Amino acid sequence: DTGVSQNPRHKITKRGQNVTFRCDPISEHNRLYWYRQTLGQGPEFLTYFQNEAQLEKSRLLSDRFSAERPKGSFSTLEIQRTEQGDSAMYLCQGTPLNYGYTFGSGTRLTVV
Amino acid sequence: QKEVEQNSGPLSVPEGAIASLNCTYSDRGSQSFFWYRQYSGKSPELIMSIYSNGDKEDGRFTAQLNKASQYVSLLIRDSQPSDSATYLCAVNDNTDKLIFGTGTRLQVFP
Repeated sequence: DTGVSQNPRHKITKRGQNVTFRCDPISEHNRLYWYRQTLGQGPEFLTYFQNEAQLEKSRLLSDRFSAERPKGSFSTLEIQRTEQGDSAMYLCQGTPLNYGYTFGSGTRLTVV
Repeated sequence: QKEVEQNSGPLSVPEGAIASLNCTYSDRGSQSFFWYRQYSGKSPELIMSIYSNGDKEDGRFTAQLNKASQYVSLLIRDSQPSDSATYLCAVNDNTDKLIFGTGTRLQVFP
């Protein structure tokens, strides 16, 4: 148990639809990161939060992507007007102050 | 562009042998180094972290770090078929986000 829960585990959506993923870290995870992993690649950084503040966004995070972390607890990642290139595993990682870097189980998105 | 390089493999070793996985990185400022194991369709699982030069052992796993050469490796002793997976090397940057290599696929055959 990594202490980071992600929902849903799998999502199949039609191109053009909006999708939202949720990440629930444990309370000690003051930093929360989102990554995306496509087939045959390592995870790539998307964005991260320090408590409720979004401190950095990757160039991979186009304007169709938005992430929030209200009250510094759970986080959501929304993709608007999905494209086939958005098909990937979306990973959430919680990091307490001095130890961590563990991933949740991920959300696998398939855009058809 | 900060990079982490790994041989994609597959690396095939017989059961009981030592598997050696290698990784190089470009950012001399990196302070933390990680090895993740990823089974097909699953999320990466952290198996080793190393922060200072030298060796760090945990069970059958040994991580080796050489900051001067910008090189980190993972040794798996007494390899088992259940070790067959993709092994991802990752280093942190100054905001603590991780930069990953593309992973090395390890196959352990009976």
